Amino acid sequence: GAVVSQHPSWVICKSGTSVKIECRSLDFQATTMFWYRQFPKQSLMLMATSNEGSKATYEQGVEKDKFLINHASLTLSTLTVTSAHPEDSSFYICSATTPGQESNYGYTFGSGTRLTVV
Amino acid sequence: GNSVTQMEGPVTLSEEAFLTINCTYTATGYPSLFWYVQYPGEGLQLLLKATKADDKGSNKGFEATYRKETTSFHLEKGSVQVSDSAVYFCALWDGGSNYKLTFGKGTLLTVNP
Repeated sequence: GAVVSQHPSWVICKSGTSVKIECRSLDFQATTMFWYRQFPKQSLMLMATSNEGSKATYEQGVEKDKFLINHASLTLSTLTVTSAHPEDSSFYICSATTPGQESNYGYTFGSGTRLTVV
Repeated sequence: GNSVTQMEGPVTLSEEAFLTINCTYTATGYPSLFWYVQYPGEGLQLLLKATKADDKGSNKGFEATYRKETTSFHLEKGSVQVSDSAVYFCALWDGGSNYKLTFGKGTLLTVNP
């Protein structure tokens, strides 16, 4: 089945530094990837949609200059949290799909990244 | 717009009990419906899906039937195990070209031995 690998699984960084999270589709080409943020005991909040080779589409209220998304290839999307602050601490999850496959196997999710900013 | 409403948790059951987690939706057109499961500290895994009315999705003893007349996709399992303890999310894709999923808020299930 489709597999999405997300790294790192957890990261601790100092306030003011930047953190990059990678999301890779291992056995399929993901033309579309999604980035979510999940607060404790809450549902997933879609942050942005990225399509290979084009700019990401951010959801309302998400700062595009703070959460930089790059989808440079069909198998890799990255989320960079710039100048991280404690309020950015959260669980970030990516998912990937390819047009036409949404109903076949749904959307494949990465295992998530726990970001803690101290 | 699209929306998914799940029964509020948490749900606590004893092992071998019957499970139902209700899910209803609002969407345009004919959405595909999904149940995802999230184990502690992990991402989401697809549990089952249904793409058209009256389809029944099933996996690992879980079942859900796409009911268009009641716009529902309730998750059921006849006999839960401790290992089923997780958060369950109902979701839909409306077939739109943005490929976005709409999620319910999730239901925490705890199964005690």
